[in-house]
Amino acid sequence: SQKIEQNSEALNIQEGKTATLTCNYTNYSPAYLQWYRQDPGRGPVFLLLIRENEKEKRKERLKVTFDTTLKQSLFHITASQPADSATYLCALENNDMRFGAGTRLTVKP
Amino acid sequence: KAGVTQTPRYLIKTRGQQVTLSCSPISGHRSVSWYQQTPGQGLQFLFEYFSETQRNKGNFPGRFSGRQFSNSRSEMNVSTLELGDSALYLCASSLDTVSSYGYTFGSGTRLTVV
Repeated sequence: SQKIEQNSEALNIQEGKTATLTCNYTNYSPAYLQWYRQDPGRGPVFLLLIRENEKEKRKERLKVTFDTTLKQSLFHITASQPADSATYLCALENNDMRFGAGTRLTVKP
Repeated sequence: KAGVTQTPRYLIKTRGQQVTLSCSPISGHRSVSWYQQTPGQGLQFLFEYFSETQRNKGNFPGRFSGRQFSNSRSEMNVSTLELGDSALYLCASSLDTVSSYGYTFGSGTRLTVV
C-alpha cells in the first residue's frame, strides 16, 4: 500500500541552527512533491514544490531536495527562528494529493 | 486577492444529523479538494472536483459526498453523522488539477458531533 512517512513527529532545535525534516514514501510515483506549513487551528500554507525531474529547489531560507531513487525528500530551514515553529507537512501529487502526518518543529530562543 | 473561504468556521451537530459545508475557492481556480484532519489520522483526502466533475475520491464511506457548481464553489455533505466525524474539514483550491503553484487552503470548518 502507498505510504508517506515523515521521520519525526517532533523536532526541537536551537535558534540559528538548520532544521532538517525528512519525508519518505513507498509505492508512489509522484509527479510533484510539496511542502506545507501548518499552524494550530489553521489550514496548511504552501511553501515549496519540487518536480520529479528536479533535484533541489530553494526559496529564501528554505531548501528542498528530492531523490526519486531513495524515494525521499529533505526539507531544510537554515538560520531557524522561533517564528518557524509550526507543523510541516509533505504532500505527494500524482492524480490527487496525499499528505504525510507532519513534523512539529519547535525552535527555541 | 481573496483567499479560500470556508463557512461556517465552527459547527456543532448531534449524531444522526446531516451537515453541509461550503467552500469558495480563489477566483479563477477551477479545482477544489476536500480533506478531513484529525489528531490521530492527520490530513486525509476526501475528494477533488474540477469543472463540476468529481475527479478523485478518497477512502471514505458514501455518507460523505460533495459537489461543485459552475462558479467553482463547492459543498460537501455528511449524512447520518457519527461521533468519529468530528474533525477539521479543509478545502483547498488550485488553478488546475495538477498545480505547479501549490494548493491554497481555507481555514477550515471545525465540526463537532455530540
